[in-house]
Amino acid sequence: DAGVTQSPTHLIKTRGQQVTLRCSPKSGHDTVSWYQQALGQGPQFIFQYYEEEERQRGNFPDRFSGHQFPNYSSELNVNALLLGDSALYLCASSPRGDTWQETQYFGPGTRLLVL
Amino acid sequence: AQTVTQSQPEMSVQEAETVTLSCTYDTSESNYYLFWYKQPPSRQMILVIRQEAYKQQNATENRFSVNFQKAAKSFSLKISDSQLGDTAMYFCAFMEAFYGQNFVFGPGTRLSVLP
Repeated sequence: DAGVTQSPTHLIKTRGQQVTLRCSPKSGHDTVSWYQQALGQGPQFIFQYYEEEERQRGNFPDRFSGHQFPNYSSELNVNALLLGDSALYLCASSPRGDTWQETQYFGPGTRLLVL
Repeated sequence: AQTVTQSQPEMSVQEAETVTLSCTYDTSESNYYLFWYKQPPSRQMILVIRQEAYKQQNATENRFSVNFQKAAKSFSLKISDSQLGDTAMYFCAFMEAFYGQNFVFGPGTRLSVLP
């Protein structure tokens, strides 16, 4: 049973560019959340997707957007990259969003470096 | 807004000894969930243990146990018989118990298990 997978593992971009990160949830999971983890800090919630819609959003600007596909996989897009966007981006999935399941399972993350 | 505090940025323990990591949180909600996640140097976030606030009994998972003090809003993690593989960042996380809520993480405690 594959767990949560993310791609790519590492990414280097320059300021002003755009980036897309991808996540495949654990089998049987239909809810995907994205987190930003700056170096030496705890993860910060970006947003959560369920049934292809953004269900909840954290305190992140509109430069951060996402998408969920019918197969429950998800993308995180960041436009107009800033140096401060350099971080580990974590994807987490949880099962059956229509009946509350509180435990989230995390992927290995994508390390983004903005130069 | 909920906040999670971990007052010990770094801790160390000798192999086979016991260590306790502290976590306090702030919320006005009465029903919620608490978690401890482990993030080894390989960076994959792994669920260690979870606690439902409505349960008075403290959760245990093998060598890991918690001391949940709801009135004090305290949620500490005890690791018994520490092993070298326990070396990691440990994050305390809070989640309100209703549909679609996100995790709020603490800043983490870096635990080193010494041989």
